[in-house]
Amino acid sequence: RKEVEQDPGPFNVPEGATVAFNCTYSNSASQSFFWYRQDCRKEPKLLMSVYSSGNEDGRFTAQLNRASQYISLLIRDSKLSDSATYLCVVTAPAKIIFGKGTRLHILP
Amino acid sequence: EAQVTQNPRYLITVTGKKLTVTCSQNMNHEYMSWYRQDPGLGLRQIYYSMNVEVTDKGDVPEGYKVSRKEKRNFPLILESPSPNQTSLYFCASSFVGSGINLYFGPGTRLTVT
Repeated sequence: RKEVEQDPGPFNVPEGATVAFNCTYSNSASQSFFWYRQDCRKEPKLLMSVYSSGNEDGRFTAQLNRASQYISLLIRDSKLSDSATYLCVVTAPAKIIFGKGTRLHILP
Repeated sequence: EAQVTQNPRYLITVTGKKLTVTCSQNMNHEYMSWYRQDPGLGLRQIYYSMNVEVTDKGDVPEGYKVSRKEKRNFPLILESPSPNQTSLYFCASSFVGSGINLYFGPGTRLTVT
């Protein structure tokens, strides 16, 4: 099983819709969890951290399920500008592991 | 402005010609790292450094060298580049702690012919 797995997509979603995607991780000792956003050919940038209690930042909600070892990202009222690749990042002792990313296309 | 800078941004070179990609950060971060990104393979870590004079191999270190003589700089050295090192390279830095927020440089697109 890969350390961090994501559905590569692409997810083609109409503007205004709600979209959600998950990321699973294999190491039960994983400590911290993040979602990064990467626009085409640009550097990844931190979108949000993910906490066990769940956290929300505007239209974005992230959740962590330690028992099932997955994190999720929900985007409400999607905008054209949300089109990007979303990378799941998991840290374990002395290690930062990136998922390969999920591509999201918001359609006008 | 807090940032990570990389130079050059674009480089086309020939097999075997030694090159260095520089990385510098102005945030006093202890942790610095190099990644390469290839289609279908995602971001793969080449080397990382937890602090000055402390470097460790990542997942794909073969063919690369690094050094960390100063806190702000973490150059990536390709002693004898080969075509399979054609890739998009990112440098990143962060403070060391439980909530790692990696700041990435803008990337260096390297082509080895």
